Amino acid sequence: GAGVSQSPSNKVTEKGKDVELRCDPISGHTALYWYRQSLGQGLEFLIYFQGNSAPDKSGLPSDRFSAERTGGSVSTLTIQRTQQEDSAVYLCASSLELADTQYFGPGTRLTVL
Amino acid sequence: GDSVTQMEGPVTLSEEAFLTINCTYTATGYPSLFWYVQYPGEGLQLLLKATKADDKGSNKGFEATYRKETTSFHLEKGSVQVSDSAVYFCALRLLLSGTYKYIFGTGTRLKVLA
Repeated sequence: GAGVSQSPSNKVTEKGKDVELRCDPISGHTALYWYRQSLGQGLEFLIYFQGNSAPDKSGLPSDRFSAERTGGSVSTLTIQRTQQEDSAVYLCASSLELADTQYFGPGTRLTVL
Repeated sequence: GDSVTQMEGPVTLSEEAFLTINCTYTATGYPSLFWYVQYPGEGLQLLLKATKADDKGSNKGFEATYRKETTSFHLEKGSVQVSDSAVYFCALRLLLSGTYKYIFGTGTRLKVLA
């Protein structure tokens, strides 16, 4: 079956612009997770959804970051007024239930010029 | 604060050599521990996990034991193959105040030479 998909695979934007990153989880997976992988850094956990609900948004790096999930499926990570330090690979993962094995997507590479 | 520290890479080994990648953690409460692997050109995938002290996770010849006394979860393999060349990430999961928190190490690149 299809795995986790993310779009776009690459995004180049100018500083100050808004960007939307999309994640399509594996069908039937109730939990969805967002991570950021910066050059030379580990994976930084951003947020997770159980269904459409995100119980803890404290992992989001700043108030320019927001995420939503609708219909218990697709999720969007939005970064407003992008900064150069937002350049990273943004990874999405999903799991059947919360705390089950996570399956990762290929990531979106974001470059802010 | 909560953290994961793993050895810096790259680690370069000859085929059939013994592998150890060190991982230590700092955590409030009782975390679950994981090793993830990212093969070249592929997405991150779970390699093995352990959910309580003294548990041993194993998969594909890799092993790691949850050592609470030393707060460690070192990854080992007795005989590496070229196909094991990848980046390995140690991670923990904590349940705090009813919500989950995930912390990953910076990754260790392994290169196995034929």
